[in-house]
Parts: sequence; C-alpha cells; structure tokens
Amino acid sequence: GAVVSQHPSRVICKSGTSVKIECRSLDFQATTMFWYRQFPKKSLMLMATSNEGSKATYEQGVEKDKFLINHASLTLSTLTVTSAHPEDSSFYICSASRSGVTDTQYFGPGTRLTVL
Amino acid sequence: DQQVKQNSPSLSVQEGRISILNCDYTNSMFDYFLWYKKYPAEGPTFLISISSIKDKNEDGRFTVFLNKSAKHLSLHIVPSQPGDSAVYFCAASVNYGGSQGNLIFGKGTKLSVKP
Repeated sequence: GAVVSQHPSRVICKSGTSVKIECRSLDFQATTMFWYRQFPKKSLMLMATSNEGSKATYEQGVEKDKFLINHASLTLSTLTVTSAHPEDSSFYICSASRSGVTDTQYFGPGTRLTVL
Repeated sequence: DQQVKQNSPSLSVQEGRISILNCDYTNSMFDYFLWYKKYPAEGPTFLISISSIKDKNEDGRFTVFLNKSAKHLSLHIVPSQPGDSAVYFCAASVNYGGSQGNLIFGKGTKLSVKP
C-alpha cells in the first residue's frame, strides 16, 4: 500500500513553454502533498506544501507564479512549471501523506524535466 | 513493483548503541545510493552516499555498507544519539555517463533513539 505515482516520468520541452507534472496517491487519500526539487548529486529541496482544497505554502525563494501547484483532490496534486527556462531543468519529486506535515511521507518516482 | 525496499517501518534503539537501517533493491542497474534523514515537518536532508564501486563509505558516526551481490545496503549509526531520531530514506539511482538519473526512494524507516 501507500503508492504514489508521477506522470510523466520524463519530459523535454522548449524554453518558454509550460509543463504540468501530476502526482497521484493511488491507494490512499493524501491530505497533504509535497513537491521537491533535486539538485545535482545530493540535496533535495522542498519547494512547497499543499493541502487539499487550499493554496500551497511555498518555501522561501520559490516563485509561486512560476511553479503553480494545485491540489484539487485527495489523490491528485499538479505542479506546473510556467515559461520554463533551461535552469528549471531538474528532477522533481512529489510525496504524499495521509494527514499533514508530520505524518509519514510516501515518495513518488520523480519526473525528470529537461528544458531546451 | 517497488525497486527500493525498506522492510522495517520502524526501529527503536537505546542511546549509545548501534542503529542499523536496511535497504534492499531489485534493479541491478542502480549504481549510486543515498541515505536521507527527515525530521517531522521538514524536507529530507542528505546524509551519506555510496557509489557501486565501493562497498563502504564512512562519515563520522555514519557508515553505509553496500553488498552488490545481495542488492542490499545498510546504514550504521554508532553511537546512536536521541537527535538521530528521524525517518531515514534510502534512495538509488543510475548514473548515465556521469549524470545522475532519477532517484528512487524507499518508504523510509522511523528510527527512535531512547535516552
């Protein structure tokens, strides 16, 4: 149980276009979903936390107008990278928890974004 | 199919003793492994990594062991401290020509270190 999926697993887009990444909890309801961005080799940076039905809470330094997060249902959250630039190329991972920020997080497989 | 498995959801250890967290993987292409530590309400923080060309990597109180034939790695913390109480995630990836591929995470093991 507690499976989280992401779609697509890889995406390549042109600079200036927008890309949407989906995160789904397949067998449980996720009150809270998290979006992370992985920097080369090691660090995983929390971008934002979203609760179902409310606006996402963004971490300092993350542009909310560039990284649009929607958590419209208890099983789906989306991250839209708007007007993508090559520096947005990265590995984006979502995680989901049943009941809030202190509950166990289950990670998705990640999405590799490459902006040309 | 889960490619990275942490079969113990929780572990309780006495302060000063050794904590051993285990991780198994199924994809023989994985060649880079990482451990992350996560406190409640915070994002995971990188702890230690190991490349498949090694079987051991040590950093202070933390040592990661890799057994490629068994597709198994473990994280040893010694001596364990109450501040080590957290959830530990194992992750694996395939390096493509020096570029790290996607990280695949296990489900985590919650470590409790009792004073």
